[in-house]
Amino acid sequence: DIQMTQSPSTLSASVGDRVTITCRASQSINVWLAWYQQKPGKTPKLLIYKASILEGGVPSRFSGSGSGTEFTLTISSLQPDDSASYYCQHYITHPYTFGQGTRLEI
Amino acid sequence: EVQLLESGGGLVQPGESLTLSCAASGLTLSHYAMRWVRQAPGKGFEWVSIISASTDKTYYPDSVKGRFTISKDHSKNTLYLEMNSLRADDTAMYYCVRDLGYFDYWGQGALVTVSS
Repeated sequence: DIQMTQSPSTLSASVGDRVTITCRASQSINVWLAWYQQKPGKTPKLLIYKASILEGGVPSRFSGSGSGTEFTLTISSLQPDDSASYYCQHYITHPYTFGQGTRLEI
Repeated sequence: EVQLLESGGGLVQPGESLTLSCAASGLTLSHYAMRWVRQAPGKGFEWVSIISASTDKTYYPDSVKGRFTISKDHSKNTLYLEMNSLRADDTAMYYCVRDLGYFDYWGQGALVTVSS
């Protein structure tokens, strides 16, 4: 199985900051990577797919980049509503696996 | 608007059974692969079953193979997860999701607690 490793596990930042979360795959996944946001007690929400394509309705301050084994999720100007956990997930081959998550505190 | 509405969660004892339902509106289940994904309290995500779009082929991880069964009722546009021989480590929130490789639509979740 492909292992997905996110860093950092926890991140504390302030409103207006630029924040970057990294996701590394144990082998190349090309661009077959998605990012999700999950607020406490809520359903996960798709933010980005195919490494860099923003899902409809997601604010443009979110962006994704990368290919192969290293990927980043960037929030350009942090807002209070961005406090959540963020997860990456590959979908190149079964089983699709998730990273362990990054908790973003504001 | 797409909605996936889950039901059937609850508290059961080890060894008991439970069936989750996921009623879909705004999308036709026979057109898409669907998946059940679970999240144990405070943990990450684990897929527990997949069903293909029209042929209804099913796949399971070793952790639930032989105990869980995913199915669809096309006439009701509803997805099911039958869970047997439940164990404490099956305790989790269970989500039905549309599987495009990535998961764009999620149900609200059904909490399954296995405890004596």
